[in-house]
This record gives sequence, structure tokens and C-alpha cells, in this order.
Amino acid sequence: DQQVKQNSPSLSVQEGRISILNCDYTNSMFDYFLWYKKYPAEGPTFLISISSIKDKNEDGRFTVFLNKSAKHLSLHIVPSQPGDSAVYFCAASPTSGTYKYIFGTGTRLKVLA
Amino acid sequence: EAQVTQNPRYLITVTGKKLTVTCSQNMNHEYMSWYRQDPGLGLRQIYYSMNVEVTDKGDVPEGYKVSRKEKRNFPLILESPSPNQTSLYFCASRPAGTPLNNEQFFGPGTRLTVL
Repeated sequence: DQQVKQNSPSLSVQEGRISILNCDYTNSMFDYFLWYKKYPAEGPTFLISISSIKDKNEDGRFTVFLNKSAKHLSLHIVPSQPGDSAVYFCAASPTSGTYKYIFGTGTRLKVLA
Repeated sequence: EAQVTQNPRYLITVTGKKLTVTCSQNMNHEYMSWYRQDPGLGLRQIYYSMNVEVTDKGDVPEGYKVSRKEKRNFPLILESPSPNQTSLYFCASRPAGTPLNNEQFFGPGTRLTVL
């Protein structure tokens, strides 16, 4: 049972436009949500996080939105740059086990120059 | 340089031949974890450790063992590897506390093939 889902395996966006990556979850006990970026032949790197008590967190070009009632979060990248082309994973961590991470299946973003 | 290192980076082995993948971090992090990445399944947590001598199962622990005798090292042991353990493995570490303010750092990955 996939508790964290990324339903879009891939996404292509023009350079300079907005990229929106989506993630849905089923477990209402998740307290922390994170986004990671992964380039080929490298380990994932942390991008941005949000706590369940907030609905938005912003860091430069990256903004994460959390809709708890819909159990949905999204990552907005504005403006998108070719260097943003990577696989993006969302992840969630529950209150009862802050050392447990449940990852989604990933979305491959391609930013076209 | 702050980093998580894994060895080997690539390994091809045969069914049943015991192997160990090492993981080491130089950031004095309390928490360490192992993940596997498979196509269509994303990253799945195998085992994690909250500190020395404290480990717990993740979502897919079957067929794996871990130990945490020192803070910096967290080896992953496959006692009798099988072809379904062919995967890309990542080790990670972070400081204690919530995930929110404590970034998890990943190693470069180990690609394991079991024939």
C-alpha cells in the first residue's frame, strides 16, 4: 500500500515557466513533509520541508504548499531553470516515528531551454 | 568535507554469497538509515538507527541485517543475497531531532546486482 504517491512519473516545462510537482498521501498521522532532488549517479539532496501545522513554506525559487484536508502537497519552482532537471521525491515522516521516512515514487522533471 | 561515503559503489555477486556494504559519515550524526531505490517504487527504507546500538526496521527489512557499533559507521549486511535484492542502495545520516530542521544527507549510492 503506497502511503505517499506521486502520480506523474514525468513533467516537461519550458525554461522560465513554473514547474508544479504534486504528491498525495493517505496517512493523516504524517507530521513532516519533505522534497528531495536527485540527479543521475548521485544521492538525493534535501530541497525543502514543511510541518503539518503550516500550509506554505518558501525558499528562494522553491515553495511547498500543504493542503491537509485534501492530503496533498505540491512543490512549485519559479522560474524553472535547466539545472532543475532531475527526479524529485516527496517524503513524509510520522509523528510516532520521526526517524521513519516514507517516500513517493518520484517525478522526473525536464526543463527545456 | 562533510559527507556520507559508501563502499563499494558497484558490486556484482551471486546468490547466497554473503556481502557487506559499508557506510560511514563524518558529521557526528546520531541518525543513520539505509534505503533501496527500485524503478516504479521510489526509495524504501530498509533499516535505521537512532544512535549507537539502537536500530529499528523500516518498511523492507527482510533479507538484511545492520549493526551500529560506532557512531560513524552503519554497515548493511546481506547474509544470503537473492536476485530480488538487486537494487540501488543509499545510506543517509542526519542529526537527532525532527526531520524538519535536521537535513538528511545521502551517500552516492551502491549499485548491487545479484545473479
